[in-house]
Amino acid sequence: KAGVTQTPRYLIKTRGQQVTLSCSPISGHRSVSWYQQTPGQGLQFLFEYFSETQRNKGNFPGRFSGRQFSNSRSEMNVSTLELGDSALYLCASSLRGAQDEKLFFGSGTQLSVL
Amino acid sequence: GENVEQHPSTLSVQEGDSAVIKCTYSDSASNYFPWYKQELGKRPQLIIDIRSNVGEKKDQRIAVTLNKTAKHFSLHITETQPEDSAVYFCAASKPGGYQKVTFGIGTKLQVIP
Repeated sequence: KAGVTQTPRYLIKTRGQQVTLSCSPISGHRSVSWYQQTPGQGLQFLFEYFSETQRNKGNFPGRFSGRQFSNSRSEMNVSTLELGDSALYLCASSLRGAQDEKLFFGSGTQLSVL
Repeated sequence: GENVEQHPSTLSVQEGDSAVIKCTYSDSASNYFPWYKQELGKRPQLIIDIRSNVGEKKDQRIAVTLNKTAKHFSLHITETQPEDSAVYFCAASKPGGYQKVTFGIGTKLQVIP
């Protein structure tokens, strides 16, 4: 089985731009959750999607949004980028939901905002 | 919401010694406690998890203990090896489809050969 795939691997953007990140979960997994990882802040929960519905959202501004498609692939969008958005963005998939079982992480997208 | 505190933030041990990482959680309804290991430049991977109906779980050199009364759980690594060097994250969550996983801030473990 293929693992969780995130694209692109690296992104360099300037302030004010917007960006879209993609995540393809393991086949059969219906839950996709997104996390922001920065040095000293650990893994901050962004949101979780299950069967195309957002089930939960973390404490991030509305500039951060996402969606999930019928094939369970998910995208995350960040609009009006700020310098502080520079981080590694990880997605993770699971069968039933992030709150109850093992998460399978992707390799992440390293976003740099200049 | 849930708050997970993790200590220490960095830990250095000699090869062969034991390492212990501790986490506390705030929500007594939390019942699932996974530990993830993230090697440098790689994705986090689950190494062990425990549910609230169990007090201890072992997998070779790794063990996790849970004290529900005190709301804390710990990761124990015995006979550490250089390949154990990584960042370790604890996490906590409670049941229900609309619950999220809350991670600790991470512990950078360095095993000195």
